[in-house]
Amino acid sequence: DGGITQSPKYLFRKEGQNVTLSCEQNLNHDAMYWYRQDPGQGLRLIYYSQIVNDFQKGDIAEGYSVSREKKESFPLTVTSAQKNPTAFYLCASSPDFPGVFGQYFGPGTRLTVL
Amino acid sequence: GENVEQHPSTLSVQEGDSAVIKCTYSDSASNYFPWYKQELGKGPQLIIDIRSNVGEKKDQRIAVTLNKTAKHFSLHITETQPEDSAVYFCAAASGSQGNLIFGKGTKLSVKP
Repeated sequence: DGGITQSPKYLFRKEGQNVTLSCEQNLNHDAMYWYRQDPGQGLRLIYYSQIVNDFQKGDIAEGYSVSREKKESFPLTVTSAQKNPTAFYLCASSPDFPGVFGQYFGPGTRLTVL
Repeated sequence: GENVEQHPSTLSVQEGDSAVIKCTYSDSASNYFPWYKQELGKGPQLIIDIRSNVGEKKDQRIAVTLNKTAKHFSLHITETQPEDSAVYFCAAASGSQGNLIFGKGTKLSVKP
């Protein structure tokens, strides 16, 4: 099956810890994205990558880091510098950038800071 | 930069009725307008999109209209069913700016 997978589905973190969220796609898409979703809010862009070994900050990049070493993978690290990390995190991909042929989303990871 | 406003934030309809969700955008260079449906605890699913060279697009019970002059676009769902209940997001993007900018969502409830 082609698609986007995110793991884990639920993640709990203690304050002060870094955690890494996984995102993998087998759609052969060039571009990948990370969004954050809070209750009652739209999706806010954290980071995006147009192509392997390249990525740019989105609107709310502070406290997050990413890498794009492989076309299929775009992991997101939530660092201890992120003041309010509890949220639903969504990964997406598109055939090109900025996704005018559609961005396709994974199932999401819900991160809770204890 | 682009700003997308979406209304209403909640919408309740009776099964079989129509539902309309409206969005406005600020960047006249925006040329791509997708709509997403998000069910509880899941990622958003692309349900329909429209480009600025088209005024209307239909896919079975859903349709999207675009008014470039007024800078607004709308999602129309006819003959609503309980399984249409979800949060719907509109978005806009331009080739110059790049990224999709999302509205804050509309929670649609279809009562049987």
